Amino acid sequence: GENVEQHPSTLSVQEGDSAVIKCTYSDSASNYFPWYKQELGKRPQLIIDIRSNVGEKKDQRIAVTLNKTAKHFSLHITETQPEDSAVYFCAASLKEFYFGTGTSLTVIP
Amino acid sequence: NAGVTQTPKFRVLKTGQSMTLLCAQDMNHEYMYWYRQDPGMGLRLIHYSVGEGTTAKGEVPDGYNVSRLKKQNFLLGLESAAPSQTSVYFCASSYSKGREKLFFGSGTQLSVL
Repeated sequence: GENVEQHPSTLSVQEGDSAVIKCTYSDSASNYFPWYKQELGKRPQLIIDIRSNVGEKKDQRIAVTLNKTAKHFSLHITETQPEDSAVYFCAASLKEFYFGTGTSLTVIP
Repeated sequence: NAGVTQTPKFRVLKTGQSMTLLCAQDMNHEYMYWYRQDPGMGLRLIHYSVGEGTTAKGEVPDGYNVSRLKKQNFLLGLESAAPSQTSVYFCASSYSKGREKLFFGSGTQLSVL
């Protein structure tokens, strides 16, 4: 099956700086790549997703890039704010979702 | 519109006890899933269902059973709980299988002593 690796496992940035989280996947047939944000004690919620026919997608301060050839995709958060502090999960899917192990992001005020 | 509702939110079991977790969704989704979340391991799929009356095994199905007698409900059962099943359990549902976002429930914190 699919194998998704996510790095880094923890990330601390100063408020206003950018944060980048990277994921790689193994199955070249995967065609849907969502990112979920999970605040402490809360449920995961989708923040952005990208499909394999698109190379980049942006939504305000959040962007995702996909490199199908290299089989990796990344989450970019610009102008980070304290409320961005959470655990972020990437996932790759063809018919089933395979999740990365998560990145704990801390934004220092 | 409540979305995905899970009960209970917390539960403590002794080894060997049984319990059932209930998941309900009001979005008319065909697909429902049960995940477990453990520190450093992300979300792992236990079982899933592609429609009323159907169930299938996921990545980590051992020790669990599921049923989907009604489209809106997906039950996860532990027949004989073990300490290794201490985890946070999330139910989720979606419009399609693997191509649209997952809607998650609020989670169940289960401790097996």
